[in-house]
Amino acid sequence: GQQLNQSPQSMFIQEGEDVSMNCTSSSIFNTWLWYKQDPGEGPVLLIALYKAGELTSNGRLTAQFGITRKDSFLNISASIPSDVGIYFCAGPFLSYNTDKLIFGTGTRLQVFP
Amino acid sequence: DTGVSQDPRHKITKRGQNVTFRCDPISEHNRLYWYRQTLGQGPEFLTYFQNEAQLEKSRLLSDRFSAERPKGSFSTLEIQRTEQGDSAMYLCASSPVGHEQYFGPGTRLTVT
Repeated sequence: GQQLNQSPQSMFIQEGEDVSMNCTSSSIFNTWLWYKQDPGEGPVLLIALYKAGELTSNGRLTAQFGITRKDSFLNISASIPSDVGIYFCAGPFLSYNTDKLIFGTGTRLQVFP
Repeated sequence: DTGVSQDPRHKITKRGQNVTFRCDPISEHNRLYWYRQTLGQGPEFLTYFQNEAQLEKSRLLSDRFSAERPKGSFSTLEIQRTEQGDSAMYLCASSPVGHEQYFGPGTRLTVT
């Protein structure tokens, strides 16, 4: 089945550093979504991308929809302690009845002061 | 502005008991999804409703699982004869048109 692979699996960075992570797929996606999940909570939608090559920002977050439509990238600039969490990419798997989301394996981010 | 809410947030039950979870979606969203998430993994799709119609069920949803959305508003997910392997976070999401899905805080189920 479809799989989304995220790298790196985990990151340990110092406050103020920039962060880059990516998500790759063996299949083409028409939409890429990036979520952040805190422990014990549900995922929170950060950015949605709808067009190949699209670059979208949300505050210190910037995400890009890869030109091949098989990858996406998320950058966080000037990291702060509240950026700690797990970041998931997701894309809709379109079947006849639904657009259920397929999630990546996650990137765990730790920020040290 | 209320988001998706889920109740309870935590449930501990003994193996063999039945449990029921509730999800209240964002009011104007007609699409509702249930996902399951185990430790260290991303959420996995369980089932989907458009209004009151259940349009798709994952093969992860065994016969012991049933979901309803009787009036096209809130939804319930019931697990009968719980097993230890059912321990997970159960997430509900809702969506307007388009692919953006908004998740609730989840129900953490522990089966002892």
